[in-house]
Amino acid sequence: DQQVKQNSPSLSVQEGRISILNCDYTNSMFDYFLWYKKYPAEGPTFLISISSIKDKNEDGRFTVFLNKSAKHLSLHIVPSQPGDSAVYFCAASAVGGNQFYFGTGTSLTVIP
Amino acid sequence: DGGITQSPKYLFRKEGQNVTLSCEQNLNHDAMYWYRQDPGQGLRLIYYSQIVNDFQKGDIAEGYSVSREKKESFPLTVTSAQKNPTAFYLCASSRGPGTGGSYTFGSGTRLTVV
Repeated sequence: DQQVKQNSPSLSVQEGRISILNCDYTNSMFDYFLWYKKYPAEGPTFLISISSIKDKNEDGRFTVFLNKSAKHLSLHIVPSQPGDSAVYFCAASAVGGNQFYFGTGTSLTVIP
Repeated sequence: DGGITQSPKYLFRKEGQNVTLSCEQNLNHDAMYWYRQDPGQGLRLIYYSQIVNDFQKGDIAEGYSVSREKKESFPLTVTSAQKNPTAFYLCASSRGPGTGGSYTFGSGTRLTVV
């Protein structure tokens, strides 16, 4: 059973606009969350993280929001750039957990 | 620069053959992981290792085997028992579970059964 879900397989956004990528999880023990960016035929690269003691974390154009009660997190990219076109994975881990659980990914296309 | 290296980038295997994928890291990370990526299924954990000479099965370990004889190396063998081995395989490492860190991934190996 998929514990981390990304229900939107793809998203298209105009350059300069905001991209919002969503992620839902089912395990209430998850307390640490990551976003990864992946280009074709390459390994994912770490983008941004958030722990459950916070509800927001910013890093430049990237902001992650966490809503623990809804078991939902989102990644905002503002402004979106063509180089942001990639597949984005969210991942979650529990306290003392041995692994991260990954979502199925959202393919973002930023249109120039 | 520290990093994690997977080789080869592309690999072709005949049905019925075993094949080993290499993964080496020089990040001094304790934990290493193997994931498989299939279209529409995200990343699924095959095996992971938290220390040398110890490893645990992930969600889809059947048909795979691993070893962890050195901290730097975590090779994955895809055996003939794996029914659908064609996939993109990713190796990752981290300081260890519960450390609050992230994974560092290799660039992946595309395995195709011919």
